Amino acid sequence: EDKVVQSPLSLVVHEGDTVTLNCSYEVTNFRSLLWYKQEKKAPTFLFMLTSSGIEKKSGRLSSILDKKELFSILNITATQTGDSAIYLCAVENNAGKSTFGDGTTLTVKP
Amino acid sequence: EAGVAQSPRYKIIEKRQSVAFWCNPISGHATLYWYQQILGQGPKLLIQFQNNGVVDDSQLPKDRFSAERLKGVDSTLKIQPAKLEDSAVYLCASSLAPSKHEQYFGPGTRLTVT
Repeated sequence: EDKVVQSPLSLVVHEGDTVTLNCSYEVTNFRSLLWYKQEKKAPTFLFMLTSSGIEKKSGRLSSILDKKELFSILNITATQTGDSAIYLCAVENNAGKSTFGDGTTLTVKP
Repeated sequence: EAGVAQSPRYKIIEKRQSVAFWCNPISGHATLYWYQQILGQGPKLLIQFQNNGVVDDSQLPKDRFSAERLKGVDSTLKIQPAKLEDSAVYLCASSLAPSKHEQYFGPGTRLTVT
């Protein structure tokens, strides 16, 4: 059974801090790893990673995948209160099925 | 572009009652997913459709849950009879095709079973 473990479960930081969120996985026939941000209800897509060692970057957010060690990290620099959310990691297999982790709840205090 | 639509947004029922949720995916999206998200957990895939065919329903409790996507567009998810442990947010998502990995999620339906 495919499995995704995220750490830490929750994190409280102050504005301007840098945070690193972790995602480790076990999946048969890996195709991709995806990061989503969930505020209130619906998750919204952040990144998709398929190749090891290639950093994806969008503004203050960046992510990298290590397919040998089976993990990914999501970095957020210069955090803002608007970054407060649950960050979900998901792995997708070749059949297109996604397995999600339980998320990291990030709280950014002013 | 209109997003994924779901209704109702909230539903409260008593155990052993039945309930149905509706989802209308983004126009042209062939793949549709139903997820169950229990408080404090990540979304768990219940069923995945490709057009009107089922791709994966391995985690759908088939004794009480059913889903259909008859014309390959909108979909309904039904629970009959509901149990207390079915209290969760039910999320619908769609993607352009299986090869297009990004999923677009609807706002969800929060179900409370009392």
